[in-house]
Amino acid sequence: DARVTQTPRHKVTEMGQEVTMRCQPILGHNTVFWYRQTMMQGLELLAYFRNRAPLDDSGMPKDRFSAEMPDATLATLKIQPSEPRDSAVYFCASGLDRGNQETQYFGPGTRLLVL
Amino acid sequence: GQQLNQSPQSMFIQEGEDVSMNCTSSSIFNTWLWYKQDPGEGPVLLIALYKAGELTSNGRLTAQFGITRKDSFLNISASIPSDVGIYFCAGQSVSEYGNKLVFGAGTILRVKS
Repeated sequence: DARVTQTPRHKVTEMGQEVTMRCQPILGHNTVFWYRQTMMQGLELLAYFRNRAPLDDSGMPKDRFSAEMPDATLATLKIQPSEPRDSAVYFCASGLDRGNQETQYFGPGTRLLVL
Repeated sequence: GQQLNQSPQSMFIQEGEDVSMNCTSSSIFNTWLWYKQDPGEGPVLLIALYKAGELTSNGRLTAQFGITRKDSFLNISASIPSDVGIYFCAGQSVSEYGNKLVFGAGTILRVKS
């Protein structure tokens, strides 16, 4: 049963610290998405990769957030320095881009609390 | 930007009742997806719709892709306690940035047994 995996599942840190979240997409998928979920904003798209190339990161605060795909089996989302307003659940999703039909499968999320 | 209006915001129903929720948009989408999220978990895909007018079932769930491509509904028949959760619709459109999903705000479903 192929699934998207994310680590860590939970993270508590202090303001100013660096946070790194990792995602392993489903084998064979060629797209990876990072989302942030909060009560106030719902699910927001932060970044989007296809074939490891960043396509759209317009939803991501550029000054402190960065997203990369070092290889096809690993995507990372970093926050440096972290701030209390970054507290949220961060989801990674992967999919197979087949033109205009694509279904995204979500990981279990990383619950981040910045004190 | 694109927005989805999902309704109702929440529902509290009796076990065994049927449930209906829908999403509308002023934008056209080429794919509609319905997800369910349980507490502490990520959204799980329930149904994917790829063609206008398409009606698709998955067990007790039925969803339709509106003819205008601007709306979709999800029905759950004979609800059971494990149907509790948050249901999200998502519309997908093709842009210069590829396939991006826009999510509704979610429908919170509670079931009384």
